[in-house]
Amino acid sequence: DTGVSQNPRHKITKRGQNVTFRCDPISEHNRLYWYRQTLGQGPEFLTYFQNEAQLEKSRLLSDRFSAERPKGSFSTLEIQRTEQGDSAMYLCASSIYGQGGTNTEAFFGQGTRLTVV
Amino acid sequence: DQQVKQNSPSLSVQEGRISILNCDYTNSMFDYFLWYKKYPAEGPTFLISISSIKDKNEDGRFTVFLNKSAKHLSLHIVPSQPGDSAVYFCAGAGANSKLTFGKGITLSVRP
Repeated sequence: DTGVSQNPRHKITKRGQNVTFRCDPISEHNRLYWYRQTLGQGPEFLTYFQNEAQLEKSRLLSDRFSAERPKGSFSTLEIQRTEQGDSAMYLCASSIYGQGGTNTEAFFGQGTRLTVV
Repeated sequence: DQQVKQNSPSLSVQEGRISILNCDYTNSMFDYFLWYKKYPAEGPTFLISISSIKDKNEDGRFTVFLNKSAKHLSLHIVPSQPGDSAVYFCAGAGANSKLTFGKGITLSVRP
C-alpha cells in the first residue's frame, strides 16, 4: 500500500453531465476526507467519514454533490448536473483516528482535476 | 471569513539561507497546526505539525514556532535547498481533525 490513490487523475466533462470520482485510502486508515482546491486557494473541506459513517458535510457541498463510503474502505464523490463552477482539483485524504481522540496527520492523494466545459 | 491567513503569496531565498514562512489564524479552537508542501499536479505532502499546547517543534531542517497570544505560527527551513521550492500551506485542525487551510505561499530557493 503506497498511499492514498485517486481515480481518475483528470476528467473533462460537459456541463450538465454527472461525474464520479473514487478514492482508495491507506488501508488501515479509518477516517477519509474530501477537499476541493481552486486556483490560488488552499484546499477547502467538503466532507469526511469515519469508517462508513459520514460525520460532517460542509455547506460548500450542495445537493448536487454526494459522497459515500459504503464498506468503510474506498469512497466515491459524485457530482450531478455539473456546472462550470465545479471545475477544481478534488483531493482525498485519510488518517487514523484512535481511541481517546488522537488523530494522525492526514495523507493526501494526488487529486482528480475536473474541468467542466 | 478566512480563519487561516498566509498573507505573503511568495518568498524567494538563496540556497543555504533560512526560509521563514508565516501564518496567522483567527480560530482559537484549533487543537493543532500543520504545514503541508505541494508540488504542481500532486497532492499536499505533510511536513510538520505542532500541538496548540506547544510553542516549538523541530524535525530536521524544519522547525515550526507557535505564538498563541499573537495567533501566529511560522515555519523555518534551514538551510534552504532548491528542492524545497514548492507551495507551502499552513492549516489548523480542530477536534474533528478537519483541516482549514491558508491560501499557500510559493517558496523559490535560488541555487
